[in-house]
Amino acid sequence: QKEVEQDPGPLSVPEGAIVSLNCTYSNSAFQYFMWYRQYSRKGPELLMYTYSSGNKEDGRFTAQVDKSSKYISLFIRDSQPSDSATYLCAMTPLEGTGFQKLVFGTGTRLLVSP
Amino acid sequence: NAGVTQTPKFRILKIGQSMTLQCTQDMNHNYMYWYRQDPGMGLKLIYYSVGAGITDKGEVPNGYNVSRSTTEDFPLRLELAAPSQTSVYFCASIPTGAHDNQPQHFGDGTRLSIL
Repeated sequence: QKEVEQDPGPLSVPEGAIVSLNCTYSNSAFQYFMWYRQYSRKGPELLMYTYSSGNKEDGRFTAQVDKSSKYISLFIRDSQPSDSATYLCAMTPLEGTGFQKLVFGTGTRLLVSP
Repeated sequence: NAGVTQTPKFRILKIGQSMTLQCTQDMNHNYMYWYRQDPGMGLKLIYYSVGAGITDKGEVPNGYNVSRSTTEDFPLRLELAAPSQTSVYFCASIPTGAHDNQPQHFGDGTRLSIL
């Protein structure tokens, strides 16, 4: 079993739809949870990070963590064609030294059609 | 501010050849990483460095070597290229500080094919 599971997609939605992207994980030590967006032929860029359980909102994006279920989600409201990209979840234990050793999901490819 | 710069962007190697993938960051970050990304496999950590002169193995270090003589540069070397090393390689860095939740800054990758 992989430490982090993520559906590879592709997930195709029409413009304006609400998108839900998800990851499950098996390591209960994970405390920081991140979502990266990766456009084709580019490096990942950080979208959002959350610490422990709860929700965090940033514009059209909402990150949700449910540690009891070992499940994290990224919601995108009013999706736009420019949101078409691969979304990677990543997570790490609380190291305490400032160093992160991230474990990544495989990424979900999202396609938003006009 | 260029961020994390990787060169070359593309390269084709023959089996058994060697090469160095370059990574430079101008943000004075102490922590730097090398990942490889294969289709359907996510990002796997090859090597990392917590500062100049200090490196350590990640999850998939076999066939690679690194050095960190300066804060800015973290080159990755393939000594004897093998087809299994065909991948996209990403370099990343984060700032040093008291907080664990600093985001990693990624370069745009080097696409390497070994034939």
